[in-house]
Amino acid sequence: GEDVEQSLFLSVREGDSSVINCTYTDSSSTYLYWYKQEPGAGLQLLTYIFSNMDMKQDQRLTVLLNKKDKHLSLRIADTQTGDSAIYFCAESRDNAGNMLTFGGGTRLMVKP
Amino acid sequence: KAGVTQTPRYLIKTRGQQVTLSCSPISGHRSVSWYQQTPGQGLQFLFEYFSETQRNKGNFPGRFSGRQFSNSRSEMNVSTLELGDSALYLCASSFRTGGEQFFGPGTRLTVL
Repeated sequence: GEDVEQSLFLSVREGDSSVINCTYTDSSSTYLYWYKQEPGAGLQLLTYIFSNMDMKQDQRLTVLLNKKDKHLSLRIADTQTGDSAIYFCAESRDNAGNMLTFGGGTRLMVKP
Repeated sequence: KAGVTQTPRYLIKTRGQQVTLSCSPISGHRSVSWYQQTPGQGLQFLFEYFSETQRNKGNFPGRFSGRQFSNSRSEMNVSTLELGDSALYLCASSFRTGGEQFFGPGTRLTVL
């Protein structure tokens, strides 16, 4: 199976919270990342968390990490139409330099 | 600070040709990684260079190669292009191992 898995699609209403989930399998993960990709663009780094942390908050974004279950989530508060994009989680592993293993991406659609 | 730049942004080639893509990292960053993004395979790691040395290599054929110069700029080369090489090629730069990794806008390669 895939090393990093995400659900394909999420639809929310403007103003609601969005929660995008990610699971990974490698216990040697060191950093876990969330990237945003808009159509025709590169990847924008949203936030990242070191594997010994449980939570990180940055303005509207909250990252939760459950290391025991190898589960990562990204919560976007007060979701706006400009948040519509594909969101990728990624992990880097011990002894693998800066190599990132990505999930397949979750397409977030925000309805007005 | 300028972000990661990639040139050219778009390329059209024919099967059998070769292509060279360029990536200029953020000033001061020593690590450059390359990724291929396709609808079918998602984001896949190609290779990483750190201080002019290839540190990691993904599972791609030998037609894919790269190098890094003393100013940290990196190039990747694909020889004997195949239709399946059509993709968005992204590079990422980082100051050190672990932590923030920033992506460029990508080079969209189309092989006819």
